[in-house]
Amino acid sequence: AQSVTQLGSHVSVSEGALVLLRCNYSSSVPPYLFWYVQYPNQGLQLLLKYTSAATLVKGINGFEAEFKKSETSFHLTKPSAHMSDAAEYFCAVSTGNQFYFGTGTSLTVIP
Amino acid sequence: DTGVSQNPRHKITKRGQNVTFRCDPISEHNRLYWYRQTLGQGPEFLTYFQNEAQLEKSRLLSDRFSAERPKGSFSTLEIQRTEQGDSAMYLCASSTRDRGPVGEQYFGPGTRLTVT
Repeated sequence: AQSVTQLGSHVSVSEGALVLLRCNYSSSVPPYLFWYVQYPNQGLQLLLKYTSAATLVKGINGFEAEFKKSETSFHLTKPSAHMSDAAEYFCAVSTGNQFYFGTGTSLTVIP
Repeated sequence: DTGVSQNPRHKITKRGQNVTFRCDPISEHNRLYWYRQTLGQGPEFLTYFQNEAQLEKSRLLSDRFSAERPKGSFSTLEIQRTEQGDSAMYLCASSTRDRGPVGEQYFGPGTRLTVT
């Protein structure tokens, strides 16, 4: 069975500060891992995905994530937060046809 | 616009009524997914189609829920005898085989259902 845990349902950072959103997964087989962003009243948009290639994955809008098998983690980072990064972020895991999403982390960027 | 579209965007219905939602995926995508999302939660998988075949259904999908994708293009999700607990955002996503078994999912804007 697969599952995702996102630590911290709400994260606040100052504009220009480091963004770190945590995701830990559980999977009995090598997983595919994803980060999605959801802006208010919009659909989910893919930020980045890990599919067993390089462990450091770069995505859109300056975000990146590192797959750490030993820690079963796939944390999302961005060196410098922008006001436009304020949104809900979801981590997801898949090993085939089904996707399992975390409960999300709401990111607030303080000017 | 060639993204995933969903109709209607909002639906208010009375308890006990039937509702049907439609999803039009990206045209070349053979995979289609339905999810339900409630406030403060991530999307929960409901069902998955590859072309016209419904290959997986979640245990969350009670007998009151049925989904179809008759020609392998658009899909419909019907909820019969709606209950207040069905109030949620219903999301549709599509994907295609992408250098491996799991392709990127493209999500539609969702249909927000309110059952009164």
